Amino acid sequence: DQQVKQNSPSLSVQEGRISILNCDYTNSMFDYFLWYKKYPAEGPTFLISISSIKDKNEDGRFTVFLNKSAKHLSLHIVPSQPGDSAVYFCAGRYNTDKLIFGTGTRLQVFP
Amino acid sequence: DAGVIQSPRHEVTEMGQEVTLRCKPISGHDYLFWYRQTMMRGLELLIYFNNNVPIDDSGMPEDRFSAKMPNASFSTLKIQPSEPRDSAVYFCASSLSASGGKEQFFGPGTRLTVL
Repeated sequence: DQQVKQNSPSLSVQEGRISILNCDYTNSMFDYFLWYKKYPAEGPTFLISISSIKDKNEDGRFTVFLNKSAKHLSLHIVPSQPGDSAVYFCAGRYNTDKLIFGTGTRLQVFP
Repeated sequence: DAGVIQSPRHEVTEMGQEVTLRCKPISGHDYLFWYRQTMMRGLELLIYFNNNVPIDDSGMPEDRFSAKMPNASFSTLKIQPSEPRDSAVYFCASSLSASGGKEQFFGPGTRLTVL
């Protein structure tokens, strides 16, 4: 049972445009949601997080939106850059220390 | 800091053989996690430790998998006997409880191929 779902395995965006990565979840006990970024042959690295009591968190070019009623969150990257090309994982946290990850979305930013 | 260290980076073995993956967490971190990455299931949590004690091993697929953390600076994940379906990238991660578990630091992973 996938508690965190990323239904788009890949996304291709032109440099300078907005990238929107989506994530759906089923577990109402998640208290935090996180996005991780992964380059080939490297481990994932933390990107941005949002508390379940917030609906938006912004950090530079990255903004995460949370819609609790729809159990949906999204990551916006504006403007997209070639260096953003990577696999992005969405994760939900519960029990204060356990992360449940989705399957990932591969983002390609082309010139 | 060197970050989370995993060895080996690549492992190719034959079905039925024992495989041992190793991890050195970031010094001072009190949580250690083992994950497996596959295309179908993404990043799956296998087991995690807090202060060297296993907390949740519900993600360990079968009895063929076992993990230990004999001290704060070392952990192993063992598969015995290995099977072709165990082929995946295995990640180790560590975190500090003071951060609220929101940020885990991952190692570079071990790519396991079982023939």
